[in-house]
Amino acid sequence: GNSVTQMEGPVTLSEEAFLTINCTYTATGYPSLFWYVQYPGEGLQLLLKATKADDKGSNKGFEATYRKETTSFHLEKGSVQVSDSAVYFCALSGDNAGNMLTFGGGTRLMVKP
Amino acid sequence: DTAVSQTPKYLVTQMGNDKSIKCEQNLGHDTMYWYKQDSKKFLKIMFSYNNKELIINETVPNRFSPKSPDKAHLNLHINSLELGDSAVYFCASSQARVRNSPLHFGNGTRLTVT
Repeated sequence: GNSVTQMEGPVTLSEEAFLTINCTYTATGYPSLFWYVQYPGEGLQLLLKATKADDKGSNKGFEATYRKETTSFHLEKGSVQVSDSAVYFCALSGDNAGNMLTFGGGTRLMVKP
Repeated sequence: DTAVSQTPKYLVTQMGNDKSIKCEQNLGHDTMYWYKQDSKKFLKIMFSYNNKELIINETVPNRFSPKSPDKAHLNLHINSLELGDSAVYFCASSQARVRNSPLHFGNGTRLTVT
């Protein structure tokens, strides 16, 4: 079956540091890949997505590239802010019913001023 | 103008009770989902409904019964609550006709069973 593995947190960075959160996946067929963000007390929000190999998703300074050869979709941001503190989820949508998402375990990011 | 709304936000109850969580979406989506998030933030799909029909039912105890009266609503009823049911339950919706249409999530219902 499909699965997503992402680095365990928490990841603690100083403001303006470079961020990488690793994500790898296992899936049959041609999945689409997503990053969602969850701020405290809220639901998940779509951050970015990529639907085919070599696509780059980007939003709010975050970006991730769909690498089929390494089955990875690592999240990066060049300069994090305190407001980026949240839990980040990598997810995939495979060739299954109804766009159902399979999530990784989530990575908590804490950015200190 | 909340897109996906769940009620209640918090639910505290005792073991053995029966409780319901309601979910409504005003996005015109045709598919709705229930996800369970445990204390370690791990998210697992429970159910998915498309146009009021059940399409995904993961290995969830039959104490959990979803009901979709129309495609804008998906409620979750839980019988004989157990301590292990304590979690945050998220409702979500998407337009399944559009492949890779993102899921829109509600803000969650934190269920605490004592």
